[in-house]
Amino acid sequence: EPEVTQTPSHQVTQMGQEVILRCVPISNHLYFYWYRQILGQKVEFLVSFYNNEISEKSEIFDDQFSVERPDGSNFTLKIRSTKLEDSAMYFCASSRGFTNTGELFFGEGSRLTVL
Amino acid sequence: QQPVQSPQAVILREGEDAVINCSSSKALYSVHWYRQKHGEAPVFLMILLKGGEQKGHEKISASFNEKKQQSSLYLTASQLSYSGTYFCGTEGTGRRALTFGSGTRLQVQP
Repeated sequence: EPEVTQTPSHQVTQMGQEVILRCVPISNHLYFYWYRQILGQKVEFLVSFYNNEISEKSEIFDDQFSVERPDGSNFTLKIRSTKLEDSAMYFCASSRGFTNTGELFFGEGSRLTVL
Repeated sequence: QQPVQSPQAVILREGEDAVINCSSSKALYSVHWYRQKHGEAPVFLMILLKGGEQKGHEKISASFNEKKQQSSLYLTASQLSYSGTYFCGTEGTGRRALTFGSGTRLQVQP
């Protein structure tokens, strides 16, 4: 069964360092998303991406964040200068069509710990 | 705007029923329900669309009141495997990507 894969599964970094989280969405999906979840809390929307550009972004997704689809398969989230409060589980998701057409498939997540 | 879920937590015995509610202050195009087990990614359960169409799980049902911007998830004859945190996600006029509620932690005991 096709799945969304994310790397790394866990990354520990020092405050102020740059981090890149990588995702390989399901191959025939057109919409890509990043969500994050601080331990034990709700799943928060960061950004959606379609047709090689950002569709929507939340207030969390400030200038420190960027997304890219550098080739036909990878979808990356970059955090330029990490802060302690960026510590969270970051989930990538993809969908075949837009939100009201079906489910989001989530990857297993990348746990980011900022020290 | 984040949807509001209730209750925050519920404990059931196997075989009992539960209802989880989700409401929004904005008009909605669709409501999704996901279940997340500890340490795992959210998994899709159901989508309810404006106009009444539903797609999802065989043993779990849900309703969507478009006028009240509310949805309810019905878990009947609960099994141990139903334990987890249930999130509703709403697609609304303000934001089309899913916005998730704060979750309802469900624990089913033998």
